[in-house]
Amino acid sequence: KNEVEQSPQNLTAQEGEFITINCSYSVGISALHWLQQHPGGGIVSLFMLSSGKKKHGRLIATINIQEKHSSLHITASHPRDSAVYICAAERYSGAGSYQLTFGKGTKLSVIP
Amino acid sequence: KAGVTQTPRYLIKTRGQQVTLSCSPISGHRSVSWYQQTPGQGLQFLFEYFSETQRNKGNFPGRFSGRQFSNSRSEMNVSTLELGDSALYLCASSLQETGFSETQYFGPGTRLLVL
Repeated sequence: KNEVEQSPQNLTAQEGEFITINCSYSVGISALHWLQQHPGGGIVSLFMLSSGKKKHGRLIATINIQEKHSSLHITASHPRDSAVYICAAERYSGAGSYQLTFGKGTKLSVIP
Repeated sequence: KAGVTQTPRYLIKTRGQQVTLSCSPISGHRSVSWYQQTPGQGLQFLFEYFSETQRNKGNFPGRFSGRQFSNSRSEMNVSTLELGDSALYLCASSLQETGFSETQYFGPGTRLLVL
């Protein structure tokens, strides 16, 4: 079992729909990251969470530390949101070092 | 401000050869991380350098190595290339002094094909 699991793997939505992407992890973490990878390959950091909730524009990320689960929500989805969304668990591995373990990504397609 | 640049953008090598990839971070960023992305494994963390010191390391064999220069530019080297090393290699820079930054700035990547 992977340390970081994402669901769904693929998601198709109509423009304007509310979208939720889920990320579960199996180890204790210091932070959870969300990234966006555009069709051309470019990656953008979206959020880093260690507790609670963060919001940037139409994007909202939440994390429940006890349940080892994070969600990324997109409100009023738009075709330009079409991308692969990747979560990554950051954990402290000792001696001042950290590890990042990635989920396999969720491919989102938003249809006009 | 110029973004993160990676050279070369594309590379074809044969098994057994070695390769060196270069990453120039955003001016002022002292942290540079390297990642490998393949269709099968997805994104995987290779290592991270901060002020010329390797600070964090992923689970890759010793054939994968890196270094960082005093101007924060970084190189990664893969020796004795295997077919499975074919991948997109990405670097990212940030200001973060511990752990991983909320905002890492990714380069466009170097696509390596091993024949």
